[in-house]
Amino acid sequence: KAGVTQTPRYLIKTRGQQVTLSCSPISGHRSVSWYQQTPGQGLQFLFEYFSETQRNKGNFPGRFSGRQFSNSRSEMNVSTLELGDSALYLCASSLGMTDSGNTIYFGEGSWLTVV
Amino acid sequence: AQTVTQSQPEMSVQEAETVTLSCTYDTSESDYYLFWYKQPPSRQMILVIRQEAYKQQNATENRFSVNFQKAAKSFSLKISDSQLGDAAMYFCAYRSRYNFNKFYFGSGTKLNVKP
Repeated sequence: KAGVTQTPRYLIKTRGQQVTLSCSPISGHRSVSWYQQTPGQGLQFLFEYFSETQRNKGNFPGRFSGRQFSNSRSEMNVSTLELGDSALYLCASSLGMTDSGNTIYFGEGSWLTVV
Repeated sequence: AQTVTQSQPEMSVQEAETVTLSCTYDTSESDYYLFWYKQPPSRQMILVIRQEAYKQQNATENRFSVNFQKAAKSFSLKISDSQLGDAAMYFCAYRSRYNFNKFYFGSGTKLNVKP
């Protein structure tokens, strides 16, 4: 069974540009969540999608957005990039909105460098 | 708001020895889950062990076990018979019972294993 797949794995962008990251969840998983990992702030929750609807959002500016498609694949977008957006962006998938000890499974992340 | 604290930025253990990683958390909720995730150099977060707050019994997964002290809000990870492959960053994480995919992570502990 394939794991969570994130693309691209590495990318370099210039300040002011925008970027789109993609995440394909584990087959059968309907929920996708995104996390930002930086040396200074650690791992922080960005947002969560289930059935194409954003269910939860972390404390990030509106420049960070996302969406989920009918096949559960998700994209996140960051507009007007700032140097501080340089980070590892991790996607995670899970079965969905269930309390049966729901466990999330992470992808390997997309490394974004803003110059 | 929930917070997770890991006070040991880095630890070292001799191969085959036992090491304990500490984690404390703060929450006003009574129903929640606690996790330990391992992040090797590949950066993919791997679930090590999970504990349901309503369970008195400490979780165990092979060489990994936890000491869960609910009243003290403490959740430590014990690794027995340490192996070179255990070297990684370890993150403690908290999840509310009803916020299925929103995890709060500690700052991490880097574990070095000496041969």
